[in-house]
Amino acid sequence: AQRVTQPEKLLSVFKGAPVELKCNYSYSGSPELFWYVQYSRQRLQLLLRHISRESIKGFTADLNKGETSFHLKKPFAQEEDSAMYYCALRTGGRGNKLVFGAGTILRVKS
Amino acid sequence: AAGVIQSPRHLIKEKRETATLKCYPIPRHDTVYWYQQGPGQDPQFLISFYEKMQSDKGSIPDRFSAQQFSDYHSELNMSSLELGDSALYFCASSGDPPESLDEQFFGPGTRLTVL
Repeated sequence: AQRVTQPEKLLSVFKGAPVELKCNYSYSGSPELFWYVQYSRQRLQLLLRHISRESIKGFTADLNKGETSFHLKKPFAQEEDSAMYYCALRTGGRGNKLVFGAGTILRVKS
Repeated sequence: AAGVIQSPRHLIKEKRETATLKCYPIPRHDTVYWYQQGPGQDPQFLISFYEKMQSDKGSIPDRFSAQQFSDYHSELNMSSLELGDSALYFCASSGDPPESLDEQFFGPGTRLTVL
């Protein structure tokens, strides 16, 4: 069965501090991994996906198949980064579901 | 840019009633997904449709049914509502790669409250 684990429900950091949101997955095949973000009162939106290997809003995430992890990182947190972050996994192609982690609330304090 | 539209945004029903949630995908998107998010929980996949055919199925109760119509909008029908059905129901849509790389774009959700 596929599973996504985000061990931290809440991560609180000061502005300018580095951020790492942890995500581990379990799946025997080759999954696609995603990070979604939900700002206050807004809809879920894709932040980044591992196959794109992009940096969005200063965030990066590297898929580590050996550790089955896809941690989200940002070197310097900004107050506008405060949001709920979901790690998600997809095992098939189009039309296939996303399996979400429980989410981590990131709170960036000034 | 047009986004995924869901209606209604809020719905209050009594136990044992029925509810119909609607989802209008982004224009030219042919795949629709439904997710349920209970209070304090992560979104759980219910069902998806590609070109009006069911493409994947998750933990959708037998009391629920869904379909995708010729204009690609989708409806989630929920019968014999239970208190535990109270949740936020998200719809997402995706289109033809490589334009969108098969990204799922989410709607704002319908908040269903069962009393």
